[in-house]
Amino acid sequence: DIQMTQSPSTLSASVGDRVTITCRASQSISTWLAWYQQKPGKAPNLLIYEASSLESGVPSRFSGSGSVTEFTLTISSLQPDDFATYYCQQYNSYPWTFGQGTKVEIK
Amino acid sequence: EVQLVESGGGLVQPGGSLRLSCAASGFTFSSYWMHWVRQAPGKGLVWVSRINTDGRTTTYADSVKDRFTISRDNAKNTVYLQMNSLRAEDTAVFYCARDHLNGQGMDVWGQGTTVTVSS
Repeated sequence: DIQMTQSPSTLSASVGDRVTITCRASQSISTWLAWYQQKPGKAPNLLIYEASSLESGVPSRFSGSGSVTEFTLTISSLQPDDFATYYCQQYNSYPWTFGQGTKVEIK
Repeated sequence: EVQLVESGGGLVQPGGSLRLSCAASGFTFSSYWMHWVRQAPGKGLVWVSRINTDGRTTTYADSVKDRFTISRDNAKNTVYLQMNSLRAEDTAVFYCARDHLNGQGMDVWGQGTTVTVSS
């Protein structure tokens, strides 16, 4: 199985900050990577697919980059609604696997 | 409105069985692969299973293989997860999700249904 490792596990930031989350794959996944946002008690929400494609309806302050084994999710200016947990997920091969999550907290 | 609504969760004893259902509306259900994903209390997301459009191709995580069965009824716009030989470690919120662009993640999720395996 492909292992996905996110860093950091927790991130403290303020409104307006630029935030970057890293995701590493244990083997090459090309650009077959998605990012999700999850708020407590809610289902995940797709933000980014194919490493850098913004899902319809997602604010443009979210962006993704990377390929092969190294990927990043960037929030250009953190908004109050963005405090949540973020997960990367590879779909290069089954079983699909997620990173362990990065919790973005208020500083 | 595009929507997925799960049902069927509950409390079950170890070794027991449960069948989850996920009713879809607002889109052409028969055109989409569907997935199940679970999340244990306080833990991360774990992909469980997927089924193709006609139900003939299924894939499972190793942790549930030979115990869980995914199926679908396109006439009823519903996907199912039959769970047998349940273990305490299967305790989780189970989400059904719609496949995105032929295998590029999951773009529509249900609200989740809680399964608790305990004596």
